[in-house]
Amino acid sequence: NAGVTQTPKFQVLKTGQSMTLQCAQDMNHEYMSWYRQDPGMGLRLIHYSVGAGITDQGEVPNGYNVSRSTTEDFPLRLLSAAPSQTSVYFCASSWVAGEQETQYFGPGTRLLVL
Amino acid sequence: EDQVTQSPEALRLQEGESSSLNCSYTVSGLRGLFWYRQDPGKGPEFLFTLYSAGEEKEKERLKATLTKKESFLHITAPKPEDSATYLCAVQAVWGGSQGNLIFGKGTKLSVKP
Repeated sequence: NAGVTQTPKFQVLKTGQSMTLQCAQDMNHEYMSWYRQDPGMGLRLIHYSVGAGITDQGEVPNGYNVSRSTTEDFPLRLLSAAPSQTSVYFCASSWVAGEQETQYFGPGTRLLVL
Repeated sequence: EDQVTQSPEALRLQEGESSSLNCSYTVSGLRGLFWYRQDPGKGPEFLFTLYSAGEEKEKERLKATLTKKESFLHITAPKPEDSATYLCAVQAVWGGSQGNLIFGKGTKLSVKP
């Protein structure tokens, strides 16, 4: 198993450009999510999905769009990049068995918006 | 407002010097409390999930405990390879699985040989 994979590892954008951050998992997890991590802020939830075709907003959804057409993939789209979106983005997937939940994070995508 | 506070922000230990990290939380109904380890430039690595007060879990030199207001991550006889940032997060009952995981800012642990 590759676990949770993210591409690209690093990206530089100009203000106003759009791009898609890719996330894939091969563990057949139903639950997937996107977080951003900023210095001094901790991880904050952007969007999450409880299964294919179902998504919902997290704490900081503005400026981001998601869709979940398959169990494996959960891409994050930046519609019009802004310098405030400079951050490290992490994708995660969860395995739930009864009351036990385990979350796995990807290696992250570092995004710089100029 | 749901909130997670970790202390201290940074902790320096000598190899073998045991200590504890604190995670205090306020949440309107706790579904679970999560501990992660994060190395520089990498994603968080899952350590434990705790669900009810009095619960304890162990993994090698790490032991996590939970009360109604806080959780402790005890590190026994740490080694230099335990150096990392340790993150705590809570999940509210109303948020559902995966939803609304609230993270603290982390404790950066450095263990010197």
